[in-house]
Amino acid sequence: DQQVKQNSPSLSVQEGRISILNCDYTNSMFDYFLWYKKYPAEGPTFLISISSIKDKNEDGRFTVFLNKSAKHLSLHIVPSQPGDSAVYFCAASASGNQFYFGTGTSLTVIP
Amino acid sequence: EPEVTQTPSHQVTQMGQEVILRCVPISNHLYFYWYRQILGQKVEFLVSFYNNEISEKSEIFDDQFSVERPDGSNFTLKIRSTKLEDSAMYFCASITRDTEAFFGQGTRLTVV
Repeated sequence: DQQVKQNSPSLSVQEGRISILNCDYTNSMFDYFLWYKKYPAEGPTFLISISSIKDKNEDGRFTVFLNKSAKHLSLHIVPSQPGDSAVYFCAASASGNQFYFGTGTSLTVIP
Repeated sequence: EPEVTQTPSHQVTQMGQEVILRCVPISNHLYFYWYRQILGQKVEFLVSFYNNEISEKSEIFDDQFSVERPDGSNFTLKIRSTKLEDSAMYFCASITRDTEAFFGQGTRLTVV
């Protein structure tokens, strides 16, 4: 059973607008969450993380929000740029052990 | 910036043959992982390795798969008798405690 879910397989956003990527999880033991970005034929690269003691973490244009009661996190990209077009994976772990990945959301930023 | 290195970048093998995928993790990292992604599907966990032994493995990681860290630097994934459905991108990752995982660029395995 999938413990991390990304229910939107794809998303298209106009350049300059906000991209919001969503992720849900089922395991209440998860305490560390990450977003990875993946270009075709490359390995995932780390984007931003958040631990369960926080509800928001910001890094430049990227902000991750965590709602523990809803077991939901989201990644906001503001403003979106064409170079942000990639597949975004949400991942979660409990105490730094195995990472569980979502299925990914393919973001297309339209110039 | 430190990086995880994987070789080869692309491996073509005949069904039933053995393959070894190699990874050089970041030197001070403690946990090592193999993931794979079949074309068009999600990234799947295969196995995690800590303190020279497997700490967790998925149902995908059956008796045909094995991992080892033969010389303290390389981290290998062996598939003893490849099947067509083993064709995928295989990613190695390493991590220290409480940090994000660093992924290699992947090895594309094609079983024909």
